[in-house]
Amino acid sequence: KQEVTQIPAALSVPEGENLVLNCSFTDSAIYNLQWFRQDPGKGLTSLLLIQSSQREQTSGRLNASLDKSSGRSTLYIAASQPGDSATYLCAVRVKAAGNKLTFGGGTRVLVKP
Amino acid sequence: EAQVTQNPRYLITVTGKKLTVTCSQNMNHEYMSWYRQDPGLGLRQIYYSMNVEVTDKGDVPEGYKVSRKEKRNFPLILESPSPNQTSLYFCASSLSAGGATEAFFGQGTRLTVV
Repeated sequence: KQEVTQIPAALSVPEGENLVLNCSFTDSAIYNLQWFRQDPGKGLTSLLLIQSSQREQTSGRLNASLDKSSGRSTLYIAASQPGDSATYLCAVRVKAAGNKLTFGGGTRVLVKP
Repeated sequence: EAQVTQNPRYLITVTGKKLTVTCSQNMNHEYMSWYRQDPGLGLRQIYYSMNVEVTDKGDVPEGYKVSRKEKRNFPLILESPSPNQTSLYFCASSLSAGGATEAFFGQGTRLTVV
């Protein structure tokens, strides 16, 4: 059974510092990995999608890497801003019945001005 | 605008009173699913649908029903809600279940059952 872990559960950094968020998964049989942002009580906003054959994806200040063999992904956010404060979730699309998304528990980020 | 729309956004109901949460997507996606999000438990899949008239159970299907009569709509039905179904619910869709398919989520429905 696929398990997805995000460490740390919470992170506080001063504005301007780079953010590094980690995601690990136990089964490498995945189609892709997706990073989401969730603001309190709100929906999930897709940030980046990495296919299983890719090593990284970039969008603006965001860069996500994927090492499928070791079961790890890292989301980098450069030059953090207070508006980056949110919970970040990673999810893998498993190659199994239903091809569902399996989510990590999230990392709650606070960027202090 | 491409989107997944859920209604209602907030709902307070009483135990046993049947309710339906609607979900609609305008992207012609084949795959749709429902998740619930609970503190400490994260997001868990309730039901999913690979296409019209094709639905199956996810990880936590007890107490829920779904239907997929049209490609764009995937309602979640609680026949007899109970307090343990108080949660934040999300509908999601993607072009297909696997491969190069990004998942899009609705804004969520916060359900309280008293």
